[in-house]
Amino acid sequence: DTAVSQTPKYLVTQMGNDKSIKCEQNLGHDTMYWYKQDSKKFLKIMFSYNNKELIINETVPNRFSPKSPDKAHLNLHINSLELGDSAVYFCASSPRQGENYEQYFGPGTRLTVT
Amino acid sequence: AQSVTQLDSHVSVSEGTPVLLRCNYSSSYSPSLFWYVQHPNKGLQLLLKYTSAATLVKGINGFEAEFKKSETSFHLTKPSAHMSDAAEYFCVVSLHSGTYKYIFGTGTRLKVLA
Repeated sequence: DTAVSQTPKYLVTQMGNDKSIKCEQNLGHDTMYWYKQDSKKFLKIMFSYNNKELIINETVPNRFSPKSPDKAHLNLHINSLELGDSAVYFCASSPRQGENYEQYFGPGTRLTVT
Repeated sequence: AQSVTQLDSHVSVSEGTPVLLRCNYSSSYSPSLFWYVQHPNKGLQLLLKYTSAATLVKGINGFEAEFKKSETSFHLTKPSAHMSDAAEYFCVVSLHSGTYKYIFGTGTRLKVLA
């Protein structure tokens, strides 16, 4: 029944590894997002997809690669993990693009790079 | 450029007393504004949104916010705090720059004292 789900909830890995985070929404929304929340709780958008098309790419290192196999899924793959990648990553969705639409957030994935 | 400023990083209130969380925005046009709440180790939940309809917006759990264009403010209030209100609160402006994206404030941590 969860509207926006993410797996895994926790991810602990070593520098240099490659990892993926998966996101699924069952709301029938067209638009999905990835956000990064740092240790000071600051939230910043990383990517957005609309109908499987990338529409926002916010100067994120190209070690981060999002993939949207269909409208309901948006995955995030991270290559060559660095200590600074440690953060909480949130997936979100909204019905479609537009400034009036609220976004629905997943529970987050806490990534710790050691 | 659009931005949002949350004036207090921490607010403490006693249970049963009013809550005021302050937010100022800057925008070249009438923006869409949102308040989200994040409980510890949880995702973000929408409290309320302003989208150029009524200036006084009522949200969930007894929260409301008033859009004041002359003061460029969108402060969040609640008449009587409950222990369960303790959380991080984010003021958000929706930016249109080719595509639509959220700009988050830095957050206000609300502490409710028994």
